[in-house]
Amino acid sequence: DTGVSQNPRHKITKRGQNVTFRCDPISEHNRLYWYRQTLGQGPEFLTYFQNEAQLEKSRLLSDRFSAERPKGSFSTLEIQRTEQGDSAMYLCASSHSWFRREGRGCQETQYFGPGTRLLVL
Amino acid sequence: AQKVTQAQTEISVVEKEDVTLDCVYETRDTTYYLFWYKQPPSGELVFLIRRNSFDEQNEISGRYSWNFQKSTSSFNFTITASQVVDSAVYFCALRASNSGYALNFGKGTSLLVTP
Repeated sequence: DTGVSQNPRHKITKRGQNVTFRCDPISEHNRLYWYRQTLGQGPEFLTYFQNEAQLEKSRLLSDRFSAERPKGSFSTLEIQRTEQGDSAMYLCASSHSWFRREGRGCQETQYFGPGTRLLVL
Repeated sequence: AQKVTQAQTEISVVEKEDVTLDCVYETRDTTYYLFWYKQPPSGELVFLIRRNSFDEQNEISGRYSWNFQKSTSSFNFTITASQVVDSAVYFCALRASNSGYALNFGKGTSLLVTP
């Protein structure tokens, strides 16, 4: 079973340019997540998909950010008109959700990809 | 709101020493899940353990052990006989059952194990 893959691994761009990242989840994982991690901090949630539906967005996801998961498999994260503050590691994770017993909630584990490191000059 | 605090920013130990990484969490939900991830210099977050709030037993996996204490809202991680390969940043994370599916991470503890 291959893990989560992300492309590109590194991206350097000039301020104002658009960038797009791709994430391929573990096969048959129905949930896919995007996080952002800046230096010295833990990852921060951006958004997640269940199959092809985008179900939750963080307030960190400004209008310049858009994410898609068109067929419920891979996902793309696009940043338009990049700013220097967008420089960060963008992490993708996937999971397979399942319920254990009534009252026990949805148990799942998110498995992360290697990330895409973005530098905006 | 959910919050995870990892008070130790950096820890340095000599190989073969035992080391404990602290994690304190806050949540009002009665059902929640706690996680530890390891992030080596390569950057990829590696899953180590998930602990459900309704499970009672503590976990041991080889040199790794986890101590879950509801009374103090802590989920500490101990590495026994540390090795150089354990050097990494370790993150504790929380997801509450009634608060969506996002993981709330602490700021991480950077562990350096020297020979």
